[in-house]
Amino acid sequence: DAGITQSPRHKVTETGTPVTLRCHQTENHRYMYWYRQDPGHGLRLIHYSYGVKDTDKGEVSDGYSVSRSKTEDFLLTLESATSSQTSVYFCAISGNRGHGEQYFGPGTRLTVT
Amino acid sequence: AQTVTQSQPEMSVQEAETVTLSCTYDTSENNYYLFWYKQPPSRQMILVIRQEAYKQQNATENRFSVNFQKAAKSFSLKISDSQLGDTAMYFCAFMVLNRQGGKLIFGQGTELSVKP
Repeated sequence: DAGITQSPRHKVTETGTPVTLRCHQTENHRYMYWYRQDPGHGLRLIHYSYGVKDTDKGEVSDGYSVSRSKTEDFLLTLESATSSQTSVYFCAISGNRGHGEQYFGPGTRLTVT
Repeated sequence: AQTVTQSQPEMSVQEAETVTLSCTYDTSENNYYLFWYKQPPSRQMILVIRQEAYKQQNATENRFSVNFQKAAKSFSLKISDSQLGDTAMYFCAFMVLNRQGGKLIFGQGTELSVKP
């Protein structure tokens, strides 16, 4: 299994508070992604990174920001959490070789009350 | 924009039987990749099988195989000799790969129950 960890694994927070989720990889992979999973929608891409300090928006990026200051860490920040951001968040990685396979972390369940 | 559709929200199959999960997609791209991911109750996303659009031969991984029909934009997953451990949500996904990596576009998922 790819070495991907996410922290925290579970979090409950109040509306309006900032939240940062961390994705850490030990595979030295170039590409990292953040997805959210909601019932009826499958997984949807929030933001992705194609190198240190290189990031771009995905399908559902409003209300989220990301940073990648080193290869192994990709942070997702909710500047002011809203109830619509209650979801399960997955980080994924993929390498330079292969055919784009992405390997996923264990997920973070975030509840915004 | 690319879309992926899984028209079967739920399916069930008896242990040791064969089941086929359907997936269709829409794209104007010619070179792309298709995937099936499995998500058991543990919530972990597990890659099951991958298909390159430029390959005519259908991919196979042990008990899992696909029927890739490029002209029809169809990508079904066949699970042979179903096992209790195959019980999971299955997601079909589409990707175009470029220098910035590949953004997966997922279907809504099919919940498969394998019954003893």
